[in-house]
Amino acid sequence: AQKVTQAQTEISVVEKEDVTLDCVYETRDTTYYLFWYKQPPSGELVFLIRRNSFDEQNEISGRYSWNFQKSTSSFNFTITASQVVDSAVYFCALSDQNTGNQFYFGTGTSLTVIP
Amino acid sequence: DAGVIQSPRHEVTEMGQEVTLRCKPISGHNSLFWYRQTMMRGLELLIYFNNNVPIDDSGMPEDRFSAKMPNASFSTLKIQPSEPRDSAVYFCASSFRGSGANVLTFGAGSRLTVL
Repeated sequence: AQKVTQAQTEISVVEKEDVTLDCVYETRDTTYYLFWYKQPPSGELVFLIRRNSFDEQNEISGRYSWNFQKSTSSFNFTITASQVVDSAVYFCALSDQNTGNQFYFGTGTSLTVIP
Repeated sequence: DAGVIQSPRHEVTEMGQEVTLRCKPISGHNSLFWYRQTMMRGLELLIYFNNNVPIDDSGMPEDRFSAKMPNASFSTLKIQPSEPRDSAVYFCASSFRGSGANVLTFGAGSRLTVL
């Protein structure tokens, strides 16, 4: 069965600290896609990144970086030098072809960056 | 592109009343998803459509909920009769289901309060 686990419910960091949000997934499919979405206090869900199962290269986008490791079924998200604007709920999600491209979301990690 | 458009943004109604939420997906997208978000249950998939056809409605809570997609540019989620436990934010999302990954684009959500 497909499943996404975000074990960290809430995280608080002081501004400028680095923070890593964990995501562990389960799927039997060999072709799948992983996503991160951000939900700021305003409520909308904003797409951050998509990775496919054949590309394990880590990705960096500004202060954001993602570490995809198939060996541990993890797709962790690191924010470097956190800012108050990073305060949000972050969702990890999985989509695979076996289930008709349905999406499976984790329960989210609420990040608070303290000024 | 205007993105996924949902209406109304906020709805306050009394128990027993009918509620209709509306969604206009991104032009060219062929998959549409309805999600419900609450503090207790997180983000739940209610139903999704491919090419206007409902594929999986197993997440629809009960017979009081119904969803339609009469054409590629419009979908509705109806609750009749509404109950206080239906209070939540309802998100519509759309994507293009092709041979590759699908990025879900979410609407701003409809916040429903049932008194």
